[in-house]
Amino acid sequence: DAGVTQSPTHLIKTRGQQVTLRCSPISGHKSVSWYQQVLGQGPQFIFQYYEKEERGRGNFPDRFSARQFPNYSSELNVNALLLGDSALYLCASTPGLLSSYEQYFGPGTRLTVT
Amino acid sequence: RKEVEQDPGPFNVPEGATVAFNCTYSNSASQSFFWYRQDCRKEPKLLMSVYSSGNEDGRFTAQLNRASQYISLLIRDSKLSDSATYLCVVIGVTGGGNKLTFGTGTQLKVEL
Repeated sequence: DAGVTQSPTHLIKTRGQQVTLRCSPISGHKSVSWYQQVLGQGPQFIFQYYEKEERGRGNFPDRFSARQFPNYSSELNVNALLLGDSALYLCASTPGLLSSYEQYFGPGTRLTVT
Repeated sequence: RKEVEQDPGPFNVPEGATVAFNCTYSNSASQSFFWYRQDCRKEPKLLMSVYSSGNEDGRFTAQLNRASQYISLLIRDSKLSDSATYLCVVIGVTGGGNKLTFGTGTQLKVEL
């Protein structure tokens, strides 16, 4: 069975640009979460989506937005990129919303902002 | 105070050693607790869930102390392959959604 997939794997953008990252969850999983991981730090929670609705939000500015599609895939958008947005962006899927569920992570998208 | 705190290490231990990591959390209403392992430049993967009664999986033992708000991970008979960053994860429920908070991670290096 395919795991969580993310695209692209690497991305280089310049300050002020916009970026869209994509995630496909494990088949049968209905919840997708997004995380930002800066080098040397643990992942920071950005959003959780379940059944196309936002169900959790971390402490990120409004430049960050996301959505989930009927097939449960998801996109993360970041507008007006800053140098500090350079990070590994991880997507994780779970079957549902129970807090006891294991998060299955994708390989991540490494974003570099110059 | 950070919501979840871990000693970043690195912990350099010889093969066969026993090593323990602690993680403290600030939200007493937190509901679920996990240890994840992250290899260099890879995604995190679940190592084990953490329960109040404690749980053991082979060489790994996890404990939760709700009164003191900390979780621990004990690795016995360390192997070279245990070298990785260990992340504790605390999950709380707010406004109908889950909030997952990762610690900064503790780096373990097992040496010959």
